[in-house]
Amino acid sequence: QKEVEQDPGPLSVPEGAIVSLNCTYSNSAFQYFMWYRQYSRKGPELLMYTYSSGNKEDGRFTAQVDKSSKYISLFIRDSQPSDSATYLCAIPGYNNNDMRFGAGTRLTVKP
Amino acid sequence: KAGVTQTPRYLIKTRGQQVTLSCSPISGHRSVSWYQQTPGQGLQFLFEYFSETQRNKGNFPGRFSGRQFSNSRSEMNVSTLELGDSALYLCASSFTSYEQYFGPGTRLTVT
Repeated sequence: QKEVEQDPGPLSVPEGAIVSLNCTYSNSAFQYFMWYRQYSRKGPELLMYTYSSGNKEDGRFTAQVDKSSKYISLFIRDSQPSDSATYLCAIPGYNNNDMRFGAGTRLTVKP
Repeated sequence: KAGVTQTPRYLIKTRGQQVTLSCSPISGHRSVSWYQQTPGQGLQFLFEYFSETQRNKGNFPGRFSGRQFSNSRSEMNVSTLELGDSALYLCASSFTSYEQYFGPGTRLTVT
Protein backbone atom coordinates (compact mmCIF):
# COMPACT_ATOMS: atom_id res chain seq x y z
CA GLN A 1 0.00 0.00 0.00
CA LYS A 2 1.33 3.42 -0.96
CA GLU A 3 1.62 5.98 1.83
CA VAL A 4 -0.39 8.52 -0.15
CA GLU A 5 -3.13 7.46 -2.54
CA GLN A 6 -4.72 9.76 -5.08
CA ASP A 7 -7.10 9.01 -7.92
CA PRO A 8 -5.28 10.10 -11.10
CA GLY A 9 -8.52 10.93 -12.89
CA PRO A 10 -8.70 12.49 -15.38
CA LEU A 11 -11.42 14.83 -14.18
CA SER A 12 -13.28 17.13 -16.55
CA VAL A 13 -15.71 19.80 -15.34
CA PRO A 14 -17.49 22.81 -16.88
CA GLU A 15 -16.32 26.31 -16.03
CA GLY A 16 -17.84 27.53 -12.78
CA ALA A 17 -18.17 24.08 -11.23
CA ILE A 18 -16.99 23.18 -7.76
CA VAL A 19 -14.13 20.71 -7.95
CA SER A 20 -13.29 18.23 -5.24
CA LEU A 21 -9.88 16.56 -5.24
CA ASN A 22 -9.03 13.93 -2.67
CA CYS A 23 -6.23 11.86 -1.19
CA THR A 24 -5.94 9.26 1.50
CA TYR A 25 -2.86 8.48 3.53
CA SER A 26 -1.78 5.61 5.71
CA ASN A 27 0.36 7.01 8.52
CA SER A 28 -1.51 8.73 11.31
CA ALA A 29 1.70 10.45 12.45
CA PHE A 30 1.68 12.79 9.45
CA GLN A 31 0.98 16.39 10.46
CA TYR A 32 1.44 18.60 7.40
CA PHE A 33 -0.60 18.21 4.25
CA MET A 34 0.36 20.01 1.07
CA TRP A 35 -1.31 20.66 -2.26
CA TYR A 36 0.69 21.38 -5.39
CA ARG A 37 -0.47 22.36 -8.86
CA GLN A 38 1.55 21.36 -11.90
CA TYR A 39 0.96 22.77 -15.33
CA SER A 40 2.15 20.83 -18.34
CA ARG A 41 5.93 20.99 -18.78
CA LYS A 42 6.38 22.95 -15.55
CA GLY A 43 7.50 22.14 -12.03
CA PRO A 44 4.93 21.73 -9.22
CA GLU A 45 3.79 24.95 -7.61
CA LEU A 46 2.89 25.01 -3.92
CA LEU A 47 -0.79 26.01 -3.63
CA MET A 48 -1.41 25.71 0.07
CA TYR A 49 -0.88 23.52 3.08
CA THR A 50 -2.58 22.70 6.33
CA TYR A 51 -1.31 21.55 9.67
CA SER A 52 -3.18 18.82 11.52
CA SER A 53 -6.96 18.74 11.11
CA GLY A 54 -9.36 21.39 9.91
CA ASN A 55 -9.90 23.72 6.98
CA LYS A 56 -7.83 26.40 5.35
CA GLU A 57 -9.16 28.80 2.75
CA ASP A 58 -7.25 30.84 0.20
CA GLY A 59 -9.41 32.63 -2.33
CA ARG A 60 -11.27 30.03 -4.39
CA PHE A 61 -9.29 27.18 -2.84
CA THR A 62 -10.09 25.33 0.39
CA ALA A 63 -7.94 22.58 1.85
CA GLN A 64 -9.50 20.20 4.33
CA VAL A 65 -7.97 17.51 6.52
CA ASP A 66 -9.82 14.77 8.37
CA LYS A 67 -7.22 12.97 10.45
CA SER A 68 -9.73 10.52 11.88
CA SER A 69 -10.29 9.03 8.42
CA LYS A 70 -6.85 9.95 7.03
CA TYR A 71 -8.49 11.88 4.23
CA ILE A 72 -7.44 15.18 2.68
CA SER A 73 -9.35 17.28 0.18
CA LEU A 74 -8.88 20.32 -1.99
CA PHE A 75 -11.97 22.20 -3.15
CA ILE A 76 -11.90 24.69 -5.99
CA ARG A 77 -14.87 27.02 -6.23
CA ASP A 78 -15.94 28.76 -9.43
CA SER A 79 -13.40 26.75 -11.42
CA GLN A 80 -11.74 28.48 -14.37
CA PRO A 81 -10.09 27.11 -17.51
CA SER A 82 -6.80 28.40 -16.08
CA ASP A 83 -7.22 25.87 -13.24
CA SER A 84 -6.66 23.07 -15.75
CA ALA A 85 -3.58 21.29 -14.43
CA THR A 86 -2.48 18.28 -12.44
CA TYR A 87 -3.07 18.60 -8.71
CA LEU A 88 -0.82 16.67 -6.37
CA CYS A 89 -1.26 16.08 -2.70
CA ALA A 90 1.95 15.69 -0.73
CA ILE A 91 2.87 14.84 2.80
CA PRO A 92 6.28 15.46 4.35
CA GLY A 93 7.76 12.30 5.79
CA TYR A 94 9.43 11.82 9.12
CA ASN A 95 12.37 13.95 8.10
CA ASN A 96 10.08 16.64 6.67
CA ASN A 97 11.87 17.08 3.39
CA ASP A 98 11.33 13.57 2.05
CA MET A 99 7.95 14.47 0.61
CA ARG A 100 5.53 11.69 -0.31
CA PHE A 101 3.41 12.60 -3.31
CA GLY A 102 0.12 11.27 -4.54
CA ALA A 103 -0.13 10.22 -8.17
CA GLY A 104 -1.72 13.55 -9.11
CA THR A 105 -5.21 14.21 -10.49
CA ARG A 106 -5.38 15.70 -13.96
CA LEU A 107 -8.12 18.34 -14.06
CA THR A 108 -9.60 19.96 -17.16
CA VAL A 109 -12.01 22.88 -16.81
CA LYS A 110 -13.95 23.39 -20.03
CA PRO A 111 -15.12 26.90 -21.01
CA LYS B 1 12.72 37.06 -5.62
CA ALA B 2 14.08 34.77 -8.31
CA GLY B 3 12.72 31.23 -8.26
CA VAL B 4 14.53 27.93 -8.38
CA THR B 5 16.50 27.50 -11.57
CA GLN B 6 17.63 24.26 -13.13
CA THR B 7 20.04 23.64 -15.96
CA PRO B 8 19.94 22.25 -18.50
CA ARG B 9 16.22 22.09 -19.22
CA TYR B 10 16.52 19.24 -21.70
CA LEU B 11 19.12 16.57 -22.11
CA ILE B 12 19.54 13.53 -24.33
CA LYS B 13 22.06 10.91 -23.30
CA THR B 14 23.00 7.40 -24.36
CA ARG B 15 22.74 4.34 -22.16
CA GLY B 16 25.91 3.88 -20.12
CA GLN B 17 26.83 7.54 -20.07
CA GLN B 18 26.71 9.75 -17.00
CA VAL B 19 24.96 13.07 -16.51
CA THR B 20 25.15 16.03 -14.13
CA LEU B 21 22.19 18.28 -13.45
CA SER B 22 22.39 21.61 -11.70
CA CYS B 23 20.03 23.47 -9.37
CA SER B 24 20.20 26.99 -7.96
CA PRO B 25 17.83 27.47 -5.01
CA ILE B 26 15.91 30.56 -4.01
CA SER B 27 18.17 33.05 -2.29
CA GLY B 28 18.29 32.31 1.44
CA HIS B 29 17.12 28.72 1.12
CA ARG B 30 19.65 26.25 2.45
CA SER B 31 17.80 23.02 1.80
CA VAL B 32 17.71 21.49 -1.66
CA SER B 33 15.78 18.32 -2.47
CA TRP B 34 15.80 16.32 -5.66
CA TYR B 35 12.91 14.31 -7.12
CA GLN B 36 12.38 12.06 -10.10
CA GLN B 37 9.03 12.26 -11.92
CA THR B 38 7.90 9.57 -14.33
CA PRO B 39 4.45 8.72 -15.69
CA GLY B 40 4.54 5.30 -14.04
CA GLN B 41 5.96 6.09 -10.60
CA GLY B 42 5.00 9.72 -10.20
CA LEU B 43 7.14 12.01 -8.07
CA GLN B 44 9.71 10.17 -6.01
CA PHE B 45 12.15 11.63 -3.51
CA LEU B 46 15.82 11.15 -4.36
CA PHE B 47 17.75 13.03 -1.67
CA GLU B 48 18.02 16.25 0.26
CA TYR B 49 20.99 18.43 1.06
CA PHE B 50 21.30 21.00 3.77
CA SER B 51 24.43 23.05 4.44
CA GLU B 52 26.47 20.87 2.09
CA THR B 53 25.45 17.64 3.85
CA GLN B 54 23.11 14.97 2.62
CA ARG B 55 20.39 14.87 5.22
CA ASN B 56 17.94 12.41 3.70
CA LYS B 57 18.02 9.81 0.98
CA GLY B 58 15.26 8.04 -0.90
CA ASN B 59 15.19 4.52 -2.20
CA PHE B 60 17.32 4.88 -5.31
CA PRO B 61 20.47 2.98 -6.33
CA GLY B 62 23.93 4.34 -5.68
CA ARG B 63 24.20 5.46 -9.30
CA PHE B 64 22.27 8.51 -8.18
CA SER B 65 24.34 10.92 -6.17
CA GLY B 66 24.43 14.58 -5.38
CA ARG B 67 26.27 17.34 -3.66
CA GLN B 68 25.72 20.85 -2.43
CA PHE B 69 28.09 23.76 -2.50
CA SER B 70 28.69 26.48 0.07
CA ASN B 71 26.40 28.87 -1.85
CA SER B 72 23.59 26.25 -1.56
CA ARG B 73 23.67 25.42 -5.25
CA SER B 74 23.32 21.70 -5.81
CA GLU B 75 24.16 19.15 -8.44
CA MET B 76 22.96 15.63 -8.96
CA ASN B 77 24.79 12.99 -10.93
CA VAL B 78 23.54 9.80 -12.50
CA SER B 79 26.19 7.36 -13.62
CA THR B 80 25.85 4.44 -16.02
CA LEU B 81 22.54 5.67 -17.37
CA GLU B 82 19.75 3.19 -18.03
CA LEU B 83 16.70 3.59 -20.25
CA GLY B 84 14.55 3.67 -17.12
CA ASP B 85 16.32 6.81 -15.92
CA SER B 86 14.44 8.83 -18.53
CA ALA B 87 12.39 11.22 -16.44
CA LEU B 88 11.79 14.78 -15.36
CA TYR B 89 14.25 15.59 -12.58
CA LEU B 90 12.98 18.26 -10.24
CA CYS B 91 14.83 20.27 -7.67
CA ALA B 92 13.06 21.97 -4.77
CA SER B 93 14.42 24.45 -2.29
CA SER B 94 13.04 25.35 1.09
CA PHE B 95 13.63 27.60 4.06
CA THR B 96 11.35 25.69 6.39
CA SER B 97 11.40 21.91 6.27
CA TYR B 98 8.14 21.27 4.51
CA GLU B 99 7.40 24.32 2.35
CA GLN B 100 9.21 23.37 -0.82
CA TYR B 101 9.45 25.40 -4.01
CA PHE B 102 10.17 23.57 -7.23
CA GLY B 103 12.17 24.49 -10.26
CA PRO B 104 10.99 23.82 -13.82
CA GLY B 105 12.89 20.53 -14.00
CA THR B 106 15.37 18.93 -16.34
CA ARG B 107 13.88 16.49 -18.80
CA LEU B 108 16.37 13.68 -19.34
CA THR B 109 15.95 11.25 -22.20
CA VAL B 110 18.16 8.16 -22.30
CA THR B 111 18.41 6.39 -25.64
